[in-house]
Amino acid sequence: DVKVTQSSRYLVKRTGEKVFLECVQDMDHENMFWYRQDPGLGLRLIYFSYDVKMKEKGDIPEGYSVSREKKERFSLILESASTNQTSMYLCATNPGLAGYGLATDTQYFGPGTRLTVL
Amino acid sequence: AQTVTQSQPEMSVQEAETVTLSCTYDTSESDYYLFWYKQPPSRQMILVIRQEAYKQQNATENRFSVNFQKAAKSFSLKISDSQLGDAAMYFCAYRSALFMNRDDKIIFGKGTRLHILP
Repeated sequence: DVKVTQSSRYLVKRTGEKVFLECVQDMDHENMFWYRQDPGLGLRLIYFSYDVKMKEKGDIPEGYSVSREKKERFSLILESASTNQTSMYLCATNPGLAGYGLATDTQYFGPGTRLTVL
Repeated sequence: AQTVTQSQPEMSVQEAETVTLSCTYDTSESDYYLFWYKQPPSRQMILVIRQEAYKQQNATENRFSVNFQKAAKSFSLKISDSQLGDAAMYFCAYRSALFMNRDDKIIFGKGTRLHILP
């Protein structure tokens, strides 16, 4: 079974603090994603990465950055947290391109981090 | 750009009854994947069922089945014999199946919260 873990289930930070959210997967998946989930808005993609040191902006990258130094670890960074970044943050992975050149599809999610910025 | 629409923010069903969650999507592609994901309260999001667009047969997983209407771009989820454990947020999702498409993003709908009434 694929295991995706996130560093914290609950986190409380103050405005202006630098915040690190970490995601680790144990299945050698190529692709990793960070989403935020807000009521009525569903899941919105912040950033994703399809390889080590590669990153792509998602739909709402402003105020966030990411780091992928190792294949199994994908970090989301809030350089200066603000109250409008209070949300549930979900990490996800998928295997990426399979050997036959077909994109494999299923996403595997971590348990989520509920971040509150005061 | 692809979009996914879930028009029912909330639904309720009596235990043991059948319920159908609706999902429509918009795309110009001919080959893609469709998914239903389930997010129970305070628990990890998991895949319920997936459908490959080139397959005409509707996917089925135990009590969960889909009604895939490609021409109408409709992908509804039917849950038979509803159980209390089915209470969750359900997300419909779309993903392109293009080879060498590095844009491996999955597009999610805003979700439908399903309540099971005992």
